Amino acid sequence: GENVEQHPSTLSVQEGDSAVIKCTYSDSASNYFPWYKQELGKGPQLIIDIRSNVGEKKDQRIAVTLNKTAKHFSLHITETQPEDSAVYFCAASIVPHDMRFGAGTRLTVKP
Amino acid sequence: DADVTQTPRNRITKTGKRIMLECSQTKGHDRMYWYRQDPGLGLRLIYYSFDVKDINKGEISDGYSVSRQAQAKFSLSLESAIPNQTALYFCATSVPTGLGETQYFGPGTRLLVL
Repeated sequence: GENVEQHPSTLSVQEGDSAVIKCTYSDSASNYFPWYKQELGKGPQLIIDIRSNVGEKKDQRIAVTLNKTAKHFSLHITETQPEDSAVYFCAASIVPHDMRFGAGTRLTVKP
Repeated sequence: DADVTQTPRNRITKTGKRIMLECSQTKGHDRMYWYRQDPGLGLRLIYYSFDVKDINKGEISDGYSVSRQAQAKFSLSLESAIPNQTALYFCATSVPTGLGETQYFGPGTRLLVL
């Protein structure tokens, strides 16, 4: 089955700096790559996703890039703010009922 | 997301006890999922249901069972709880949208098995 690895496990940045989280996947048939943000005491919430027919997607300060050849995708957060502090999960799936999640990255944005 | 609710939010139980975690949604989605989250690990799928009459095992279904009482309700049961089932449990919903489906998660139930 699909295996998703996520790095780093923890990331600390100064407010205003950029943050990058990277994930690799094993199954080249994977076609959907969402990113979730999980705040303390809450469930994961989708922040951005990308499908295999595009290479990059941007939504304000958040962007995701996909390299299908290398089988990796990345989350980029620019101009980080303290409220960006959370745990971020990447995921990859071929079909919805087989979505595999990375282990998560704890992002801390220092004021 | 208030559209997906889970009860209880926290639960402490003893080894061997039967417990049920409940999930309700007002999103009108047919597809529902139960996941488990352990510290330092991602979410792992326990069971999923594509409609009321369709229930399927996920990656880690042993020791769990589910019931889809209605489109809006999906319950997870631990028939005889054991300590290694201590975890954070999430319910999620989705709707088919072609290539890739967004899953919407509830707030989670934190379960401690003593």
